[in-house]
Amino acid sequence: QLVLTQSPSASASLGASVKLTCTLSSGHSSYAIAWHQQQPEKGPRYLMKLNSDGSHSKGDGIPDRFSGSSSGAERYLTISSLQSEDEADYYCQTWGTGTNWVFGGGTKLTVL
Amino acid sequence: EVQLVESGGGLVQPGGSLRLSCAASGFRFSTYWMHWVRQAPGKGLVWVSRINSDGTITSYADSVKGRFTISRDNAKNTLYLQMNSLRAEDTAVYYCARDQWDGSGPLGLYYFDSWGQGTQVAVSS
Repeated sequence: QLVLTQSPSASASLGASVKLTCTLSSGHSSYAIAWHQQQPEKGPRYLMKLNSDGSHSKGDGIPDRFSGSSSGAERYLTISSLQSEDEADYYCQTWGTGTNWVFGGGTKLTVL
Repeated sequence: EVQLVESGGGLVQPGGSLRLSCAASGFRFSTYWMHWVRQAPGKGLVWVSRINSDGTITSYADSVKGRFTISRDNAKNTLYLQMNSLRAEDTAVYYCARDQWDGSGPLGLYYFDSWGQGTQVAVSS
C-alpha cells in the first residue's frame, strides 16, 4: 500500500536551515512526490514536484530558499535562511494507480 | 493569475445536503482535471474526489463514494461538489485544487498545482 510518512513536528531558528523528510512505503521508492505548504488559517500552496533522482521543479514564485532532494525512499524539503513566514505545515503528496492521491500526515514547522 | 474561490459551505444537520462551488479564473478551466480535498479540524489533507476535463470521468474516496457527486460546468468555469447524507465526520474545510501531470523523471506524477482558500462545512445537530 502506498503510504507517505512524515514527522509530526520540526523546529529551527530564524535564519537557520531545516530539512523535512517524507518517506515512501516499501516498494514505492521510485515514486515522485509534491511538497505543499499550508500557513496558519490559509489554503495550501504548491511548492515543488520532486523526482526520485532529486530533480525538482518549483511552483511560480517559490523562493530559491526552498529546495528538494531524494535518497532512496526518502524525499526531502530543505528551507534555508528561515523566515518567520515559513512557520507552517508542510505536506508531501503522491499518486498511485488504484491508490489515487495520497498525502503524508504533515509536518508542523516552528521557527524559533 | 490562477484563482480558485470556493463557496457554499455552512452548518448542516446529519443526513442533510450541501452543494459546494469553486469558481475558477486565470486559466483555461475546460482543459484541466479538478479535485476536491478536505481537512478535518486539526487534521491533515485528504483527497475526496476528482473529475476529468470534460466531466465524463469521476473518482471518489471510499469514505464519500455513493454520497458525494463531483461535477463541473465548463461554460461557467465552475466546479461543484454535491454532498448528500452528510455525517459528522464530513466536518472539514473543503478545498478545490487544480490537477497537473508531470511526466518527467523516472515516474510521472499527478499533483495539485493550485489551491483555493477553502470553505467550511460543519455537520452537527
